[in-house]
Amino acid sequence: GAVVSQHPSRVICKSGTSVKIECRSLDFQATTMFWYRQFPKKSLMLMATSNEGSKATYEQGVEKDKFLINHASLTLSTLTVTSAHPEDSSFYICSARDPSGVWETQYFGPGTRLLVL
Amino acid sequence: QKEVEQNSGPLSVPEGAIASLNCTYSDRVSQSFFWYRQYSGKSPELIMSIYSNGDKEDGRFTAQLNKASQYVSLLIRDSQPSDSATYLCAAQGFQKLVFGTGTRLLVSP
Repeated sequence: GAVVSQHPSRVICKSGTSVKIECRSLDFQATTMFWYRQFPKKSLMLMATSNEGSKATYEQGVEKDKFLINHASLTLSTLTVTSAHPEDSSFYICSARDPSGVWETQYFGPGTRLLVL
Repeated sequence: QKEVEQNSGPLSVPEGAIASLNCTYSDRVSQSFFWYRQYSGKSPELIMSIYSNGDKEDGRFTAQLNKASQYVSLLIRDSQPSDSATYLCAAQGFQKLVFGTGTRLLVSP
């Protein structure tokens, strides 16, 4: 299957700072990437859909100014958590849609665990 | 009705048995379906995709799709303790995947 990487895998930061997470599709070009967050023992929650060259589409209840998404190339999307607070501590997972094939399949990155102190 | 529904479990099976995981979907999602496995603390990993009515086999895994009854299932033959994980059923909705809440599978030695 296709490979999606995420960096960093784990980050600890102080309250009030900003954190950037990168998501890369390594062996395919992804016009669409997705950002999810997941709390312990809870379901995946889609935060936003990231489209290359255009603004991200945010799900209801997700603050666009808090979670900045940039999809500047066909292989890279970034999520920046601005002015992070302890309640932003979570597991953030990106996925990328492989446009090849009849049906587009979504592959997940390994995730980034964010802890805000 | 939720677009994709799964029983949260846990589903407990002994090692070597067949584990059967089920998922139902509504008309609001399209006809492509995916099964992901998620180990605790890890991200989801694609196991199978299915688009046509009937069965699709890959090693110990068999995905089944019944469009008339709107359900998708995943069978795991010869279950191993390493199969213990949460299994997510997903359907392609409008521009995004719609996930079920996942079924936790426990395979006991």
